[in-house]
Amino acid sequence: EDQVTQSPEALRLQEGESSSLNCSYTVSGLRGLFWYRQDPGKGPEFLFTLYSAGEEKEKERLKATLTKKESFLHITAPKPEDSATYLCAVQGGASGGSYIPTFGRGTSLIVHP
Amino acid sequence: ETGVTQTPRHLVMGMTNKKSLKCEQHLGHNAMYWYKQSAKKPLELMFVYNFKEQTENNSVPSRFSPECPNSSHLFLHLHTLQPEDSALYLCASSTPGVNYGYTFGSGTRLTVV
Repeated sequence: EDQVTQSPEALRLQEGESSSLNCSYTVSGLRGLFWYRQDPGKGPEFLFTLYSAGEEKEKERLKATLTKKESFLHITAPKPEDSATYLCAVQGGASGGSYIPTFGRGTSLIVHP
Repeated sequence: ETGVTQTPRHLVMGMTNKKSLKCEQHLGHNAMYWYKQSAKKPLELMFVYNFKEQTENNSVPSRFSPECPNSSHLFLHLHTLQPEDSALYLCASSTPGVNYGYTFGSGTRLTVV
């Protein structure tokens, strides 16, 4: 069974204070690791897919990295508008081709001005 | 708007009522999903439809009944719900076999009284 653990559960930062969110996973044959952003009262918004260890992707102040056991979402010089819940999900080969990802509980990020 | 539209945005219903949630996408995706999101819990997959055929039913109680008349529309029919069914219900769509992530709607906030 695929498992995803995100830490910390909540994170408070001052504007400009860089930090990282962690997503640890166990999966049988990784097909992809996904990061989403979710604002209050809205559905998750897709950010990145990572496919193999060593891969990195960037979008504005966000950079996602991947190892064989975990992924990090690095936030550089965050702004208040980066405040949201960040979700991680993995899709494993054990899904048998159904392509159903397993989601973590998310990290709630608040960036204070 | 993400391209996936859910209605209504908010719903309050009694335990003896019957109501339906609607989801619509015109992104050309062939897979559609219903998820339940409760506080402090990971996203829970409920149902999956690929090319209008139901391919996953994640042990969901029969008081939830999905319907997918075509690849652009998805419904979730609700009857005789319990207070613990109160949650955010999210619809998503994707292209099967492609790891571009899911496109989620904004959800329906359901309260069962």
